[in-house]
Amino acid sequence: GAVVSQHPSRVICKSGTSVKIECRSLDFQATTMFWYRQFPKQSLMLMATSNEGSKATYEQGVEKDKFLINHASLTLSTLTVTSAHPEDSSFYICSARLRENQPQHFGDGTRLSIL
Amino acid sequence: AQTVTQSQPEMSVQEAETVTLSCTYDTSESDYYLFWYKQPPSRQMILVIRQEAYKQQNATENRFSVNFQKAAKSFSLKISDSQLGDAAMYFCAYRSAYQGGSEKLVFGKGTKLTVNP
Repeated sequence: GAVVSQHPSRVICKSGTSVKIECRSLDFQATTMFWYRQFPKQSLMLMATSNEGSKATYEQGVEKDKFLINHASLTLSTLTVTSAHPEDSSFYICSARLRENQPQHFGDGTRLSIL
Repeated sequence: AQTVTQSQPEMSVQEAETVTLSCTYDTSESDYYLFWYKQPPSRQMILVIRQEAYKQQNATENRFSVNFQKAAKSFSLKISDSQLGDAAMYFCAYRSAYQGGSEKLVFGKGTKLTVNP
C-alpha cells in the first residue's frame, strides 16, 4: 500500500519550454502532497506543499509563478515548471501522505534537463 | 529553524557485518518525528524507520534499528547483517509534530553506503 507514482521519469527539453510533472497517489487519497527538489549530491529541499482544493504553500525563495502547482483531486497533484531554463535542471520528487502525522511516501522522481 | 546534520558523506561495510550511520539535529521543539530514508540508485525514496520523539524506546524494523538520544539530539541508524541490497544513499530527516504546523521534512545531506561482498 501507499504507492506514489510520478510521471514522467525523465524530461529533456529546450530552454523556454514549460514542463508539467504529475504526482499520483495510487491506492490512497492524499489531501496533501509535497514537492521537493534535489540537486546532484545534495539533499532534498521542500519547494511547496500542495493542498487539494486550495492554493499551494510555497517555501521561502521559491517562485510561485515559476513553479505552478495544482492539486485538482485527492489523488493528483501537478507541478508545472514555466519557461524553464538550464538552471531549473534538477531532480524533482513528490511525496504524499494518507493523514496528518503519517509518514510521507515518495514517488520515483523526475529528472528534468533543460538544454 | 531546524537543521539535520549527517557527518559521514560515505560509509562502507562488508556484507553480513554491522554499520552505524550518524545523524544529529538541532531544534527547539520538544515534540517531533525523526526518519531514516533510503534512496537506492533507482532514485525512489523509501522509508526505512521512524521514531516519535516522545517515545523513549528505540524504533526497530527487522535488521534496522536506531539509537535515539533526545538530550544529545542524536539519531543514528544501525544496519545489522548488511546485505548488498542495502547499498544506497541514506537520509536522516526531521519533522515537527506540532498540530496544524508544517509537515515539512528537513533532510540531512545524506550518507552513501557501499556494501562490499
